[in-house]
Amino acid sequence: EAGVTQSPTHLIKTRGQQVTLRCSPISGHTSVYWYQQALGLGLQFLLWYDEGEERNRGNFPPRFSGRQFPNYSSELNVNALELEDSALYLCASSSGSGTEETQYFGPGTRLLVL
Amino acid sequence: GNSVTQMEGPVTLSEEAFLTINCTYTATGYPSLFWYVQYPGEGLQLLLKATKADDKGSNKGFEATYRKETTSFHLEKGSVQVSDSAVYFCALSDNNAGNMLTFGGGTRLMVKP
Repeated sequence: EAGVTQSPTHLIKTRGQQVTLRCSPISGHTSVYWYQQALGLGLQFLLWYDEGEERNRGNFPPRFSGRQFPNYSSELNVNALELEDSALYLCASSSGSGTEETQYFGPGTRLLVL
Repeated sequence: GNSVTQMEGPVTLSEEAFLTINCTYTATGYPSLFWYVQYPGEGLQLLLKATKADDKGSNKGFEATYRKETTSFHLEKGSVQVSDSAVYFCALSDNNAGNMLTFGGGTRLMVKP
């Protein structure tokens, strides 16, 4: 069974640009989560999508946004990139929101903002 | 709010040594607890989990017991290998807090031959 996939693997952008990251969940999973792993800041929760709806949002500015498609894949968009957006962006999927749900992670997209 | 505290690394051990990585948590509800491992240049892999008090999660020789009385979920392994060198993250998931994972800061483990 294929795991969570993310694209692209690496990305270099300049300040002010916009970027779109993509995630495909494990087959059968309906929930997708996005996390940011910035150097020195650990893993921070960004967004949670379930059944096409945004269910929860972390403490990030509105220029971080996303969506979930009918096939449960997801995009994370970041507008007006800043240097501190340089990070590894991790996507995870789970089969729902029950008490014993486990999130499985993809390999991540490494974004460098110059 | 919820939080997870892990011992800071790096932890450096010789092969076959005993490993303990401490993890304590604060949560308003009854969270599920996880250990994830991140090898260099990769994403996170689930190592083990426990969903209720006194549960023991185990995988690949690693173990952790959900201790509600001490709000802890310490990771242990009896005999580490060089291939265990990685960063280990303790995390909790709380349905009352939006289901996202709250992570500790990570502990880097280096195992020398």
